[in-house]
Amino acid sequence: KAGVTQTPRYLIKTRGQQVTLSCSPISGHRSVSWYQQTPGQGLQFLFEYFSETQRNKGNFPGRFSGRQFSNSRSEMNVSTLELGDSALYLCASSPGGGPYEQYFGPGTRLTVT
Amino acid sequence: SQELEQSPQSLIVQEGKNLTINCTSSKTLYGLYWYKQKYGEGLIFLMMLQKGGEEKSHEKITAKLDEKKQQSSLHITASQPSHAGIYLCGAPLSYNQGGKLIFGQGTELSVKP
Repeated sequence: KAGVTQTPRYLIKTRGQQVTLSCSPISGHRSVSWYQQTPGQGLQFLFEYFSETQRNKGNFPGRFSGRQFSNSRSEMNVSTLELGDSALYLCASSPGGGPYEQYFGPGTRLTVT
Repeated sequence: SQELEQSPQSLIVQEGKNLTINCTSSKTLYGLYWYKQKYGEGLIFLMMLQKGGEEKSHEKITAKLDEKKQQSSLHITASQPSHAGIYLCGAPLSYNQGGKLIFGQGTELSVKP
């Protein structure tokens, strides 16, 4: 099976712009979770989508949003980018529905200038 | 809120030596995940522990879960340069929130040839 894929791998944006990141989970997996990783805060949970519905949400401002499509692919959007949004954004996929193994993608490195 | 504390924060060992990394939770554990990360890359799934006393192995890496102590340990036998990287433990906040993990701050392992 192919692993979790994320596009793009690298992104440079200007403060105030918006950005959309994409995640394709492992075939058959219905849950996609998003995380932000920074040197100062470590790995922090953003949100989880399961069967096109947001199931869990972390403590991030409303500028961070996401969605999941019927094929389980997920996107996250960050509007009005701030310098502090520079981070590695990781998505993880799992079959969903309980404590299953979670597999991470390679991440998208976002740099905001 | 629940926290995961890893110790040590960094570790330098000579190739061939054994080592142990600990992950301690401030609250009840509903499972424990171990991942390895190369700097700036995605997380590689190592293993997931669900029950107290459970022990799993992946090549030369063994992890145990002690529910009573709210702790997990990761043991590497006969370390190799390929074991170098950042080891992260993660845990769900509850049994039904398998897709929402909190993570420890990571343990950086260097293996000297």
